[in-house]
Amino acid sequence: RKEVEQDPGPFNVPEGATVAFNCTYSNSASQSFFWYRQDCRKEPKLLMSVYSSGNEDGRFTAQLNRASQYISLLIRDSKLSDSATYLCAVEGNKLVFGAGTILRVKS
Amino acid sequence: GAVVSQHPSWVICKSGTSVKIECRSLDFQATTMFWYRQFPKQSLMLMATSNEGSKATYEQGVEKDKFLINHASLTLSTLTVTSAHPEDSSFYICSAPRGTALYEQYFGPGTRLTVT
Repeated sequence: RKEVEQDPGPFNVPEGATVAFNCTYSNSASQSFFWYRQDCRKEPKLLMSVYSSGNEDGRFTAQLNRASQYISLLIRDSKLSDSATYLCAVEGNKLVFGAGTILRVKS
Repeated sequence: GAVVSQHPSWVICKSGTSVKIECRSLDFQATTMFWYRQFPKQSLMLMATSNEGSKATYEQGVEKDKFLINHASLTLSTLTVTSAHPEDSSFYICSAPRGTALYEQYFGPGTRLTVT
């Protein structure tokens, strides 16, 4: 089993839609979790950190479920500019990234 | 603005040559930097942790004699891909921690290496 797994997608959604991605992790001792956004051929940019049960920043909400070992990212009122690959990252003794979930928001 | 820079952003080289990639932290000091590699449609894979003033820590399966890391100052880490081969073609990205949170990282813009 991979340390961090994500549904690769793509998720194709219309503008204004709400979309959610999950990311499962195998290391139950992990304490810190992150969502990064990566545009094509660019570096990842930190979107949100999740240290406890969850975090909210505007249209973006991240939640952590330790019992089931997954984190989720919810995007409300999707914009065309939200189209990107969303990477989750989990801290163990290093930062381990998932392969990413592709989101395409269409008008 | 960017807080971590990388140079070059794109390099094409012939098989057998060596390529040096620089990673600089701008306006802050980084005693630790990370080097990642990303193949198309795959996740970022940590190659090594670069430590200022000491040897780098390499991940399992990464050849330290092939991927030479030097972290000679608090703002500069370099990765040298020695005797590059086509299978080394990839996107190489460095990162540095944001403040005291080791795993909240600023990423450099990446270096796209193509070995012909």
